[in-house]
Amino acid sequence: GQQLNQSPQSMFIQEGEDVSMNCTSSSIFNTWLWYKQDPGEGPVLLIALYKAGELTSNGRLTAQFGITRKDSFLNISASIPSDVGIYFCAGHSGGSNYKLTFGKGTLLTVNP
Amino acid sequence: NAGVTQTPKFQVLKTGQSMTLQCAQDMNHEYMSWYRQDPGMGLRLIHYSVGAGITDQGEVPNGYNVSRSTTEDFPLRLLSAAPSQTSVYFCASSYSPAETQYFGPGTRLLVL
Repeated sequence: GQQLNQSPQSMFIQEGEDVSMNCTSSSIFNTWLWYKQDPGEGPVLLIALYKAGELTSNGRLTAQFGITRKDSFLNISASIPSDVGIYFCAGHSGGSNYKLTFGKGTLLTVNP
Repeated sequence: NAGVTQTPKFQVLKTGQSMTLQCAQDMNHEYMSWYRQDPGMGLRLIHYSVGAGITDQGEVPNGYNVSRSTTEDFPLRLLSAAPSQTSVYFCASSYSPAETQYFGPGTRLLVL
């Protein structure tokens, strides 16, 4: 089946630093999604990308849909303590495929 | 509008016991899915449904059954629980798999 390689697995940063994480796939995806999961809760959508090359921002978050359709990255600028959590990428190949594939997540810890 | 609700929040089972994890949504979403989350494994799709009466297997379906008699409800059944099914289970719903999936708060299951 389709697999997403998400890196890094974990990050420990100081408040105020910028963060970058990415996902790569051997398959082409038509949609890339980035979710955040707070401790003890379900994931919540941060950014959705639907077009190759698309660059989308949501506050301090910026995500891009790679032009090859096989990768995506998420940047967080000027991190704050509430950015702590697990960040997941997810990809959908479109068409009659009804499955959304998730990466294994990046655990972000922000030291105040 | 309650979104996606899951019951119970916590459950302890003995090996061989059966139980049903409940999931309901009030957003009139056609697409519903069940995931399990294990440390370091991300979110893995168990079963999904594209509408009432239609279900299909995901990545890790063994040991689980589902049915979808109404648009609102999508229960997950464990017929004979095994320790390997100890996990956190999330239900999600959306208009389609490529669009925003709304996750429930999760059910934490321990099988002894």
